[in-house]
Amino acid sequence: GNSVTQMEGPVTLSEEAFLTINCTYTATGYPSLFWYVQYPGEGLQLLLKATKADDKGSNKGFEATYRKETTSFHLEKGSVQVSDSAVYFCALMAPQNRDDKIIFGKGTRLHILP
Amino acid sequence: DTEVTQTPKHLVMGMTNKKSLKCEQHMGHRAMYWYKQKAKKPPELMFVYSYEKLSINESVPSRFSPECPNSSLLNLHLHALQPEDSALYLCASSQEGLAGYTGELFFGEGSRLTVL
Repeated sequence: GNSVTQMEGPVTLSEEAFLTINCTYTATGYPSLFWYVQYPGEGLQLLLKATKADDKGSNKGFEATYRKETTSFHLEKGSVQVSDSAVYFCALMAPQNRDDKIIFGKGTRLHILP
Repeated sequence: DTEVTQTPKHLVMGMTNKKSLKCEQHMGHRAMYWYKQKAKKPPELMFVYSYEKLSINESVPSRFSPECPNSSLLNLHLHALQPEDSALYLCASSQEGLAGYTGELFFGEGSRLTVL
């Protein structure tokens, strides 16, 4: 079946550090891939997405590239800020069945120290 | 600001109480969702309404009863809950119904439920 595996954290970095959160997936066909972010006390927000191989999603300085050869969608940011502290969820949706549900990874908690 | 509004933000109820959670969106989205999220876990899908019809029920116990009065509103009626039902309940919407679902969800801030 379809699944998403991401590093569980917590990940603690200093402000302006480089961030990588690893995400790999297992899916039949060609899934769409997402990163959602959940700030403290809030619901989830879509951060970025990619719908086909080699697509790069980007938003708010974050980037992730859909790598079919390695079945990965790692999240990166060149210089993190304290305001980036949140939980990040990698997710996929397999498109061959429109009734399929979005599958979330377990989430990675990120702490940024000033 | 989120465009999916959930009320109440916090709810404490006893196991014999009846209460409801409410969700509203005015983006013209055609599908609405209820998710349950326990601490430090990803959200778990409970129900999906597509074009105001219940399309998915993830084998949720009958003490949770969803209702979609119109395309903008979604309710979750709660009755005879158990302490293990305490969680953050998230409402979400998507622009298309399930037939055109792209995986892009818009979430509310959630209703934090505590069952005593």
